[in-house]
Amino acid sequence: GAGVSQSPSNKVTEKGKDVELRCDPISGHTALYWYRQSLGQGLEFLIYFQGNSAPDKSGLPSDRFSAERTGGSVSTLTIQRTQQEDSAVYLCASSRDRNQPQHFGDGTRLSIL
Amino acid sequence: DQQVKQNSPSLSVQEGRISILNCDYTNSMFDYFLWYKKYPAEGPTFLISISSIKDKNEDGRFTVFLNKSAKHLSLHIVPSQPGDSAVYFCAARGSGGNQFYFGTGTSLTVIP
Repeated sequence: GAGVSQSPSNKVTEKGKDVELRCDPISGHTALYWYRQSLGQGLEFLIYFQGNSAPDKSGLPSDRFSAERTGGSVSTLTIQRTQQEDSAVYLCASSRDRNQPQHFGDGTRLSIL
Repeated sequence: DQQVKQNSPSLSVQEGRISILNCDYTNSMFDYFLWYKKYPAEGPTFLISISSIKDKNEDGRFTVFLNKSAKHLSLHIVPSQPGDSAVYFCAARGSGGNQFYFGTGTSLTVIP
């Protein structure tokens, strides 16, 4: 497909488990962002990747959160020892570069029981 | 601390009339602003952007106005159509920054 693809679309897991969320950006897009949206809130920036540069991790809320981007393409966001407050929609976006508008995936809805 | 604010959670407009969505920001270093539209269960879709060197940008039925002195931007949709019914987010970024700050969104309903 031509758009940003995220998987899974929904994830339900027990508190304390680890989860991995995947993002396939648009081919050729060098910039990749992760956001989360909690109920009734705006999008909260988590992390930004640009090409092969070191990522901007300034938005990660705790050391339980980490992300990587392999080969400048696919990215995974990992949340360890999940807590109920981690329940949110996690959105990935990519753009040609940081000065171009972002294209979003449809998100992963994460529910922690 | 919310640096981008959309103070109206919802707005209803008659089809054919103008919709005006507002956004305020607090950081004078913001120089790039965008509007996104979001349908339920989908990711946001880019609508229109404006940089701080301009005060207006137009694309078809959508126009964004930027008032830097008031730290305020607005999105005008004219004429409004039922398909415009969605949640609209404004976003802003500072010069040299990577992080985009989003508002909490305004839900627009266009009544046929």
